[in-house]
Amino acid sequence: KAGVTQTPRYLIKTRGQQVTLSCSPISGHRSVSWYQQTPGQGLQFLFEYFSETQRNKGNFPGRFSGRQFSNSRSEMNVSTLELGDSALYLCASSLSGTNTGELFFGEGSRLTVL
Amino acid sequence: GQNIDQPTEMTATEGAIVQINCTYQTSGFNGLFWYQQHAGEAPTFLSYNVLDGLEEKGRFSSFLSRSKGYSYLLLKELQMKDSASYLCAVATGGSYIPTFGRGTSLIVHP
Repeated sequence: KAGVTQTPRYLIKTRGQQVTLSCSPISGHRSVSWYQQTPGQGLQFLFEYFSETQRNKGNFPGRFSGRQFSNSRSEMNVSTLELGDSALYLCASSLSGTNTGELFFGEGSRLTVL
Repeated sequence: GQNIDQPTEMTATEGAIVQINCTYQTSGFNGLFWYQQHAGEAPTFLSYNVLDGLEEKGRFSSFLSRSKGYSYLLLKELQMKDSASYLCAVATGGSYIPTFGRGTSLIVHP
């Protein structure tokens, strides 16, 4: 079956702009999590959605937001972009986000802010 | 919050055995994960430990000691393709969403 799909794969923005990233989970998976990956900080948790509700949230400012649709697809938005937002944004899906353990990651969206 | 520590980089020889350690300080432990990430690719799941002891899966094994806040990933019969970053992650509290360490970059040389 198809894996987790993220679009776009690469994008370049300038400071102050906003960006929307999309994630389509594996069919049947209802939990979608978002992570930011940078060389200095590693993988940092942004938020998790389950059945269209934000169930968990990491320690990121309010400029980072997300949502989930009824078909489990998810989007995340970053407003007023800063240089430090340059990173690989990874989406991961799981059946229910419970102790089944395994997260399935997409290839990521690499954002460069100039 | 959680504090997860693992070495930044390790090197090993093809055919050898390597052990990657991970220590953590947390409360409400819900399990420890290991993921593998090749350069430019998505992380892929390797193992999940929630009880103390050793879990073996082919060439890879993962060990957990909850009382010591310690885990290791053991890779046997190393192959060049094992060169990757290995991420230790811990799930805590009421959530099973893991918090990741910064990863250990393993370089396997001939």
